[in-house]
Amino acid sequence: KQEVTQIPTALSVPEGENLVLNCSFTDSAIYNLQWFRQDPGKGLTSLLLIQSSQREQTSGRLNASLDKSSGRSTLYIAASQPGDSATYLCYRGSTLGRLYFGRGTQLTVWP
Amino acid sequence: SQTIHQWPATLVQPVGSPLSLECTVEGTSNPNLYWYRQAAGRGLQLLFYSVGIGQISSEVPQNLSASRPQDRQFILSSKKLLLSDSGFYLCAWSRGRARVNTEAFFGQGTRLTVV
Repeated sequence: KQEVTQIPTALSVPEGENLVLNCSFTDSAIYNLQWFRQDPGKGLTSLLLIQSSQREQTSGRLNASLDKSSGRSTLYIAASQPGDSATYLCYRGSTLGRLYFGRGTQLTVWP
Repeated sequence: SQTIHQWPATLVQPVGSPLSLECTVEGTSNPNLYWYRQAAGRGLQLLFYSVGIGQISSEVPQNLSASRPQDRQFILSSKKLLLSDSGFYLCAWSRGRARVNTEAFFGQGTRLTVV
């Protein structure tokens, strides 16, 4: 069974820091990798999607990279803000329509 | 544009009562559909997925069932709820009929509390 691991599980930082969240997967034959944000008690909001043929995607202060050979993806958050506080989840696509998620990184950015 | 609707947002049900959560997708056809559960402090657990009408795959044995009576409708059910069924249930869809998955989209979730 494919596994998705996210490190760290929790992160608490002061405002303004640059952050790196990691996602690793055991099956290198991935298709897409997507990063989500989840606020408490809410659904998932898509942040970035990296197609299997791509190496990275950028949106504002967010940059996500994908290294299929090592089975890793990294979400980089520049100049963090308190509004970035949330749980960040990565998912990897698969055949047969399955979606596999990591357990997430709970981020707290304090002013 | 595509949208996904999930309801109700919050539900409190007694143990032993039935359950029906509904999810519909608009603006696309032949989507892959998914039901996830997120227990407190835990990750997202895939419960069911469907690649077409009447085609349901179960990831874990449990007290729940799923049905897809129409192309863009996905229903999560239970005949008798257990306390352990409490959690946050999320419906999702992705584009179907493709070997390579594309972007996934999520509903806003249903908070189920079994008392």
